[in-house]
Amino acid sequence: KQEVTQIPAALSVPEGENLVLNCSFTDSAIYNLQWFRQDPGKGLTSLLLIQSSQREQTSGRLNASLDKSSGRSTLYIAASQPGDSATYLCAVFSTNAGKSTFGDGTTLTVKP
Amino acid sequence: EAQVTQNPRYLITVTGKKLTVTCSQNMNHEYMSWYRQDPGLGLRQIYYSMNVEVTDKGDVPEGYKVSRKEKRNFPLILESPSPNQTSLYFCASSPGLARYTDTQYFGPGTRLTVL
Repeated sequence: KQEVTQIPAALSVPEGENLVLNCSFTDSAIYNLQWFRQDPGKGLTSLLLIQSSQREQTSGRLNASLDKSSGRSTLYIAASQPGDSATYLCAVFSTNAGKSTFGDGTTLTVKP
Repeated sequence: EAQVTQNPRYLITVTGKKLTVTCSQNMNHEYMSWYRQDPGLGLRQIYYSMNVEVTDKGDVPEGYKVSRKEKRNFPLILESPSPNQTSLYFCASSPGLARYTDTQYFGPGTRLTVL
C-alpha cells in the first residue's frame, strides 16, 4: 500500500526566505505526483504536476522535483511571501489504477 | 467557467437518514474522485471513476456508494450515515489518466455532520 509522508509538518519562515518542502512515497510505481495548496476552510488548488518520466516542473517562484527511484519529491518556494501561507499537500497517482494517495501536508506560515 | 461544483456545501443530518452529495464538472473530464478529509488523517480517497459506468474503491469505501451514469456527474451516496462519517468531503476531476495533463480540479468541499 502506498504511503506518502511530508516533512516538516509545519514551517514558519520570515518573508523573503527560500524554502523547501519534502514529500516521500514508498511505492515508486507512480503515474504522476502533484503538489497542491489548501487555504483554511477552502478546497485544494493544483500547483504543479510532475509526470513519472519527468524530473522537475516550474511555475513562477515554485519548482518541484521528482526522484522516482528514491521515492522523493521536493517543492522549492523562492522568495516567500505572506500570501504563500497555506497548507501544501503532495499526492501520488499509482500506475495501475486511478488510486491516489495524499500526504498529511506541510503548514507554512510566512511572517511579514 | 471551468469548475467542479458540490451540493450541499454544509449538511447536518442524523444517523441512518440516507443522503446524497452531488458532484458535477463542466470540463468533460473522464476521471472523477471522492475524498474525505479528517484532522490527523489527511485526505483519503473514497471512490473514483475512470469513465462512465466505471467505478472503483479507494482506500476508505466502507459505508459509501457512488454511481457514474453520465460523464459530468458523480454523486456520493450514504445509505445509512453514522457519526464516524462526519467529515469534510471533496470531489475532484481530471481529464483522464491517458492524457498528458492530469491535473486534478477540486470542488469547494461539503462539510457533513452526522448526529
